[in-house]
Amino acid sequence: GAGVSQSPSNKVTEKGKDVELRCDPISGHTALYWYRQRLGQGLEFLIYFQGNSAPDKSGLPSDRFSAERTGESVSTLTIQRTQQEDSAVYLCASSPRRSGRGDTQYFGPGTRLTVL
Amino acid sequence: SQQGEEDPQALSIQEGENATMNCSYKTSINNLQWYRQNSGRGLVHLILIRSNEREKHSGRLRVTLDTSKKSSSLLITASRAADTASYFCATDAGSARQLTFGSGTQLTVLP
Repeated sequence: GAGVSQSPSNKVTEKGKDVELRCDPISGHTALYWYRQRLGQGLEFLIYFQGNSAPDKSGLPSDRFSAERTGESVSTLTIQRTQQEDSAVYLCASSPRRSGRGDTQYFGPGTRLTVL
Repeated sequence: SQQGEEDPQALSIQEGENATMNCSYKTSINNLQWYRQNSGRGLVHLILIRSNEREKHSGRLRVTLDTSKKSSSLLITASRAADTASYFCATDAGSARQLTFGSGTQLTVLP
């Protein structure tokens, strides 16, 4: 079946603009995660959804970052007033159940965000 | 902060040789997973080892886990040029919902 998809694949924006990144998880996956990966570094956790609620927002770096999810489907990550430090690849992953149960996470291809 | 730290940061070997990557972590875990990433994009899950397991095999992959040392190793045997990628360990710890990733090892397999 279809994997996790993300759009756009690349986004170039000017400093101060808002951007919206989209993630379509695997159908039936209740858990959804957003990560950020700066160049040459590991993944930095941003936010986790169980269904459409977000029990863990601890990784969001500032109040410019927000995310929402519709039911158990698409999620959007919004970055307001983008800064150059926001440039990174934003990765979305989904898993069938809540994490902490040894679930594998299935990753999308990521959105490469460049803030000029 | 990163839970897992891989070493080496970069590894270059000849095709046919074995590649070993190590991961250390700081807190107690439920399981440890290894992922592979090509060209800085999506990650692919390779193998999961639970905290009560010491060794696991999958094809050319062998993973060990030493919870007393809080470390894991990933061995790729008979490497191929197509194995060139970044490899990350990720820990699933306590009640945390998310995986915590290390900074990765960049493996280059020369033909």
